[in-house]
Amino acid sequence: AQSVTQLGSHVSVSEGALVLLRCNYSSSVPPYLFWYVQYPNQGLQLLLKYTSAATLVKGINGFEAEFKKSETSFHLTKPSAHMSDAAEYFCAVSVGAAGNKLTFGGGTRVLVKP
Amino acid sequence: ETGVTQSPTHLIKTRGQQVTLRCSSQSGHNTVSWYQQALGQGPQFIFQYYREEENGRGNFPPRFSGLQFPNYSSELNVNALELDDSALYLCASSQAGGIKDTQYFGPGTRLTVL
Repeated sequence: AQSVTQLGSHVSVSEGALVLLRCNYSSSVPPYLFWYVQYPNQGLQLLLKYTSAATLVKGINGFEAEFKKSETSFHLTKPSAHMSDAAEYFCAVSVGAAGNKLTFGGGTRVLVKP
Repeated sequence: ETGVTQSPTHLIKTRGQQVTLRCSSQSGHNTVSWYQQALGQGPQFIFQYYREEENGRGNFPPRFSGLQFPNYSSELNVNALELDDSALYLCASSQAGGIKDTQYFGPGTRLTVL
């Protein structure tokens, strides 16, 4: 069975600093990986997804993620944090015969300091 | 293009009662998935419907049931409510049940069980 681990339930960054959110997955078959963002009292919005094309994936709002099979990782980065990036971020995996059933990590809450 | 909508926004029930949550999928989408998100956790897959048939189920008891209608809208029914059922219930739709397909989430229904 697949699983997702997000290291760090809370991350605090200064405005303008690098944002790095870590995601490691466990899967016996090639996975498809997603990052979603959730603003307070809202649903989830897709930031980006990896579907076995380029390993470096660019998403919305300046975010990108790199798929590293050898490290079973799919970390999310943004070069310069903005106050509007304060939210909760979820990494998710979809594999094989499960169709597009998503297995989510526990989430990382990002706080941006002025 | 209308996104995924859910109703009601909030709901308060007591233990033992039954509840029905509703979801309208995005235009052109024939697949609906339901997720439960407990406070401070990532969403957990409940089940998925593809063209009115159940297409996968997560680790939830039978008192969680669902329907999908010919217009691809969907209902989630929960019988014999327990305190632990208090959560945000998210509905997501996708164009088909394919592994790479992006799921688009609604804003959720916040259920409180007293």
